[in-house]
Amino acid sequence: NAGVTQTPKFRVLKTGQSMTLLCAQDMNHEYMYWYRQDPGMGLRLIHYSVGEGTTAKGEVPDGYNVSRLKKQNFLLGLESAAPSQTSVYFCASERTGGEGSPLHFGNGTRLTVT
Amino acid sequence: AQSVTQLDSHVSVSEGTPVLLRCNYSSSYSPSLFWYVQHPNKGLQLLLKYTSAATLVKGINGFEAEFKKSETSFHLTKPSAHMSDAAEYFCVVSDQSGNQFYFGTGTSLTVIP
Repeated sequence: NAGVTQTPKFRVLKTGQSMTLLCAQDMNHEYMYWYRQDPGMGLRLIHYSVGEGTTAKGEVPDGYNVSRLKKQNFLLGLESAAPSQTSVYFCASERTGGEGSPLHFGNGTRLTVT
Repeated sequence: AQSVTQLDSHVSVSEGTPVLLRCNYSSSYSPSLFWYVQHPNKGLQLLLKYTSAATLVKGINGFEAEFKKSETSFHLTKPSAHMSDAAEYFCVVSDQSGNQFYFGTGTSLTVIP
């Protein structure tokens, strides 16, 4: 099993450009998450989904949109990229919510906005 | 509200000596707590988790952590550091629903040969 796969691995955008990050999981997990990781700040939740067709805002949702049209995929979109969105983005999935259910992470997408 | 504080941003140890990475948590209920490890250019990997069972939790690669409610701590330890342990470590608490996770800011572990 591949687990959680993120594409692309790297991307450079100019300010104002748009892009979509794809996350795919093959574990039949219900919950999926998008985080951003910045130096000294740990991981911050952007958006998450508790099932196909559902999404919810996390701690830092502004400037991002998401969609969960299929259970195995969770897309993160940047409509108009800004330099403040330069970061490493991680997707994670979780079998179900509930006590002790751990997150499974992809290997990240490193995004630079110039 | 839930939060975690990792008390050290950087820890250096010599190979073969003990490792201690400190984490304090704040939670209004009995929490679920996790430690994750992140090697360079990789995603986070679960080391161990605590879910109100035994207070001493054993994880992968010889790591363990002890939940101390009176001290609101969940420190990560390993008796003998290996070079391959050099990585970033994150302490995480989840909310009562289990679908929101709160990350510490991370501790970078350096292992000196």
